[in-house]
Formats: sequence, structure tokens, C-alpha cells
Amino acid sequence: DAGVIQSPRHEVTEMGQEVTLRCKPISGHNSLFWYRQTMMRGLELLIYFNNNVPIDDSGMPEDRFSAKMPNASFSTLKIQPSEPRDSAVYFCASSLTGGYGYTFGSGTRLTVV
Amino acid sequence: TQLLEQSPQFLSIQEGENLTVYCNSSSVFSSLQWYRQEPGEGPVLLVTVVTGGEVKKLKRLTFQFGDARKDSSLHITAAQPGDTGLYLCAGNTGGFKTIFGAGTRLFVKA
Repeated sequence: DAGVIQSPRHEVTEMGQEVTLRCKPISGHNSLFWYRQTMMRGLELLIYFNNNVPIDDSGMPEDRFSAKMPNASFSTLKIQPSEPRDSAVYFCASSLTGGYGYTFGSGTRLTVV
Repeated sequence: TQLLEQSPQFLSIQEGENLTVYCNSSSVFSSLQWYRQEPGEGPVLLVTVVTGGEVKKLKRLTFQFGDARKDSSLHITAAQPGDTGLYLCAGNTGGFKTIFGAGTRLFVKA
């Protein structure tokens, strides 16, 4: 298995632009998580899905952030409009066992200038 | 608010030394995981512990879950440069949601 695949690996965009991050979870995993990592705040859970249904989006910082999971093999995290404070590494993770361990992707490093 | 506190935040040691890092909370967890993260990559799961007092070993790494399931420790014997990385503990109180500690950044000098 190729693991959790995220794209792009790096994204540099101007303030105000729309950014879309993509994730392909491990086949067969039924839970998908989006995290954001910064030096100041560490790993923060943004949203998670179970069987493609959003369960908890209380970590999404603002209405500028949205996430979808149209099928079991694909999810997107969109920021519109982007702001410099959104600069961070965004990770997608998937799991078959819920809270007993995740497989993380390699992340997308987002820089908003 | 559930919090996981990790200590120390940073550790720099010589190859061959032993070390212990700690993960503490006031919350009771149904499971606790340890991850290692290297620069430019996502965290990689090392172990999951679920039973109070449980001890698991992974080569030179020993993980222990506290009896009350509120804390955990990771002990590394004879550290090697390849052990360098950010060690994260993560706790789950049931369901799908897991919270992460801020991590211990370990640097092992050759």
C-alpha cells in the first residue's frame, strides 16, 4: 500500500487566493482526519470523517475553511480566502481502528504571502 | 479542556546514553499512542497502549502506560543518531478524536 497520499507537498500562494489541499487515505480505512501543525500550537485537529461523513468540525478555525469527503478514497481541505496566519503544515491521516492509531501522510507545507 | 503535557521539550544527548520522556494529563485515556516524526514527514505510529500499567517494548524503546491511564513514559536504551526526531504522545478518550502533546524534540549526537 502506498500509504496516505497528500498533494501538493508544497504550496505558496498570495493572500486572498483559494487553496485546495488533497488527500487519498489508505484503502479500507473508514476514518479520515485533517490536522494542522505549527511550532506555536503543535498538531491541531481540524475535522474528521467517519465513513465519509463529517463527525466533528469544531477544530476548523473559521468559515474560510471547509472540508469534503465525496467518497472513501478522496478528501479535500479548502481555504478561501487564504491569509498569512494560515501558513502551516497540513496533515491528513486515516485509520481503521478509530482512536487506536493513525497513518499520516507526508503533509502539505502551505505558505501564504 | 484535555491537555497532554510532554517533558522535556528538548533533549540533546550523546550516542549510547539512555533517556526517558514523559507524557502527563489530568484526563483518563482509553488508549495512548506514541509517534515519531522526522523533518518534512508526517508522524509515524510507534505503539498503542490501552491497559493501565501496560509495558510494551520495541527493540531499544520501552513504553509504559500509567496505572490510572493518565500518563505514559518512553524510555530509550543506548540511543543512536537514528533515534533523532520529534516524539509525540497522543491520547484518546473514546471514539475517534485524539489529542496530541506538543512533543519532545530529541537530538542524538554521534
